[in-house]
Amino acid sequence: QSALTQPASVSGSPGQSITISCTGTSSDVGGYNYVCWYQQHPGKAPKVMIYDVSNRPSGVSDRFSGSKSGNTASLTISGLQAEDEADYYCSSFTISSTYVFGTGTKVTVL
Amino acid sequence: QVQLVESGGGVVQPGGSLRLSCAASGFTFSSYGLHWVRQAPGKGLEWVAFIRYDGSNKYYADSVKGRFTISRDTSKNTLYLQMNSLRAEDTSVYYCAKGSWGIYDWGQGTLVTVSS
Repeated sequence: QSALTQPASVSGSPGQSITISCTGTSSDVGGYNYVCWYQQHPGKAPKVMIYDVSNRPSGVSDRFSGSKSGNTASLTISGLQAEDEADYYCSSFTISSTYVFGTGTKVTVL
Repeated sequence: QVQLVESGGGVVQPGGSLRLSCAASGFTFSSYGLHWVRQAPGKGLEWVAFIRYDGSNKYYADSVKGRFTISRDTSKNTLYLQMNSLRAEDTSVYYCAKGSWGIYDWGQGTLVTVSS
């Protein structure tokens, strides 16, 4: 199972919006609405920010939103803040009943 | 709230074995699927294995199939990962995580180092 494709890095200034893409196939991202997004700060465990493509867990800022079109899912961070600087990963359920993660994106707040 | 606490990590020689444990609390253990996910130093996340809420089905990444075994003990609210024939490339932080269709809650991880 190949990893989902994410851009290696995305940057933005405070207050701006950025979008991270996560591209898979019809056997994973495109075939199921079970895409999650995770935030990971250095030395810490990942934290789920979005589940089931576009749902936000309680306690996660509404500046984070998710969507999907075809085989590509996207995470948008609005009103970028310094604390958003972290690594972000997507994941998807797959046709083999396994799971696959994205390659990861480093978000830098300029 | 959900708590997942991993243990059992350490240093092991290539070809050796190790068993990881994950003590779960704060939710109905028998109602949720559970995962192991790993992260090699400086690398991304890699899904390792999943066990259904009732233990009826288990799924593995190709990289560990035939070497690792996931299991759960409902009486102890504990998830396990038996790792055999360990290789240098298995060196990672291993996370226990809760979720059925997705991966929602994570433990803090335990470090496994495979080295002679």
